[in-house]
Parts: sequence; structure tokens; C-alpha cells
Amino acid sequence: NAGVTQTPKFQVLKTGQSMTLQCAQDMNHEYMSWYRQDPGMGLRLIHYSVGAGITDQGEVPNGYNVSRSTTEDFPLRLLSAAPSQTSVYFCASSYSPESYNEQFFGPGTRLTVL
Amino acid sequence: GQQLNQSPQSMFIQEGEDVSMNCTSSSIFNTWLWYKQDPGEGPVLLIALYKAGELTSNGRLTAQFGITRKDSFLNISASIPSDVGIYFCAGPTGANNLFFGTGTRLTVIP
Repeated sequence: NAGVTQTPKFQVLKTGQSMTLQCAQDMNHEYMSWYRQDPGMGLRLIHYSVGAGITDQGEVPNGYNVSRSTTEDFPLRLLSAAPSQTSVYFCASSYSPESYNEQFFGPGTRLTVL
Repeated sequence: GQQLNQSPQSMFIQEGEDVSMNCTSSSIFNTWLWYKQDPGEGPVLLIALYKAGELTSNGRLTAQFGITRKDSFLNISASIPSDVGIYFCAGPTGANNLFFGTGTRLTVIP
């Protein structure tokens, strides 16, 4: 198993550009989520999904869109990047929301918005 | 809003020393989780606690679920250089999503 994979690992955008951060898992997990990590603030939940076709907002959803067309993939879209979205983004997955012992995080995408 | 405050924010210790850190919440948690994040990597679960007063060990790591259910503690004994990283506490929200603390950054000096 590859676990949770994220691409790209690094990205630099200009203000106003759009892009999609990719996340995939090969463990047949139903639950997937996106976090952003900023210095001194821990990880904050952006969006999550409890299964294909089902998504919901987390703590900081503004400026981000998600979709879940397959169990394996959970892309995060920035429609019009802003400097405030400079952060490290982590995708995570688990069998169910309560499967804390089996939640796996990807290696992260470091995004800089100029 | 919900807050999970970790202290200390950062620690510099000599190799071989013991480490203690804690996490306090503004609300009650029914589960406490401790994660470690190595530089450039995603967090990895170290210990999960499910009952008030519970004390659980994982090798040199020991964590405790506070009896008030508003705090938790993590101890690392005989630190080694690979203990370097950021340690996060976390707990589930009402929707069973995880809420993370602010982190404790640990530096071990050989």
C-alpha cells in the first residue's frame, strides 16, 4: 500500500491563480479530510468527506472547494489564491471518522502564494 | 470557540533527559490523542486515550487522560535525537472530526 499520497510537494502561486492539490489513498478508507498547518496554530480542518459523493465544511473552509467522486481521491481546489492561503496542507484518511487509531496523514503540500 | 492549548510551546533539552508536556482544553473531551510530526512529514499517532484517569505507555512515551477530562499529559523518558519534532494533542469534536492543539516543538541536543 502506498498509504496517503499528496501532490505536488511544493507549489508557488501568484495571487488570483487557481490550482488543485491532489490527495489519494489506496486503503479503501471512507473518511478523508484536509487540514492546513500554520505556525503556532496546529492543524485546522478545512473540509472533510465521509464517503464518495459526500463532503462537508470544517473549521476554515472559505476559499477552498472539494469534491469526492471516488473513494480513493479527495482533491482540494483553490479558486483564487490569496497570500493568506500560504500554508502547509495535509490530507488524511481513515476507515471511519471514529477510527482514530487508523488515521493516516499524507506527507503534505507546502504552498506559497505571492 | 474551542481551544486546545499546549505547553510549553517549545523545549530544548539534552539527550537523555526526560520530557513533560501538557494539553489543556476549554471543554471536555472523551478521547485524547497524541501525535508526533517529524520535520517535513505529516503527523503520526503515538498514543490514544479513551477514559478519564487512563495512563497508557508506548515504549518510552507515557500519556495520561486527566480526570477532569479537560487535560492530558505526555512524558518522554530518556530522550534521544530522533525524538525531535512537534508533538500535538488532539480530540474529537461533536462531528467526530479532530481538533488539534497548538503543538510543542521539541529539540534534543546530543
